[in-house]
Amino acid sequence: ETGVTQTPRHLVMGMTNKKSLKCEQHLGHNAMYWYKQSAKKPLELMFVYNFKEQTENNSVPSRFSPECPNSSHLFLHLHTLQPEDSALYLCASSQDGKVNQPQHFGDGTRLSIL
Amino acid sequence: AQSVTQLDSHVSVSEGTPVLLRCNYSSSYSPSLFWYVQHPNKGLQLLLKYTSAATLVKGINGFEAEFKKSETSFHLTKPSAHMSDAAEYFCVVSEEGQNFVFGPGTRLSVLP
Repeated sequence: ETGVTQTPRHLVMGMTNKKSLKCEQHLGHNAMYWYKQSAKKPLELMFVYNFKEQTENNSVPSRFSPECPNSSHLFLHLHTLQPEDSALYLCASSQDGKVNQPQHFGDGTRLSIL
Repeated sequence: AQSVTQLDSHVSVSEGTPVLLRCNYSSSYSPSLFWYVQHPNKGLQLLLKYTSAATLVKGINGFEAEFKKSETSFHLTKPSAHMSDAAEYFCVVSEEGQNFVFGPGTRLSVLP
């Protein structure tokens, strides 16, 4: 059982489509994260939200747009993606973003761009 | 700046034999260190964490890791491998004011 739920689990979209990834955490945490996991590359941090405020944007292209309406929900809006954006997108949460707190991960959304 | 090196991209062991997954880190300050495991089509699951308490850390599923500051290492061990241990393992370092830095991962294969 995971305290972090991501939907959908799989998504196939064309380059001109608009879609959104959803993440919900049931752990009472205040920090949430988006990561990109591509084959043969280390996990890449994309965005960090702490108490609903974005505290990190790791030079992510504007075709990725995050939204954090409350501490339990995090979205990643996708628009005009490129084939190289195909990857596993992981959401995580932690108590309040402090260095010694573990992050809890969802099972990810496998995104394929046609 | 912090960084993580996982010395082996792939480790293969026989079931019932010991597991050693190596991790070395670079950190300017007192780091927090974590090991995560990822099974196919799943997210990352926390195995254990070191946050400046005891240097020998016990985790779930019989895994443990030892923090050695002099060697800047945080190797993961398990006395006896089980088939269900086959997965990808990630070493992570974090320090004050910085986000998590993940190692490239080590794929563990367990042979019957």
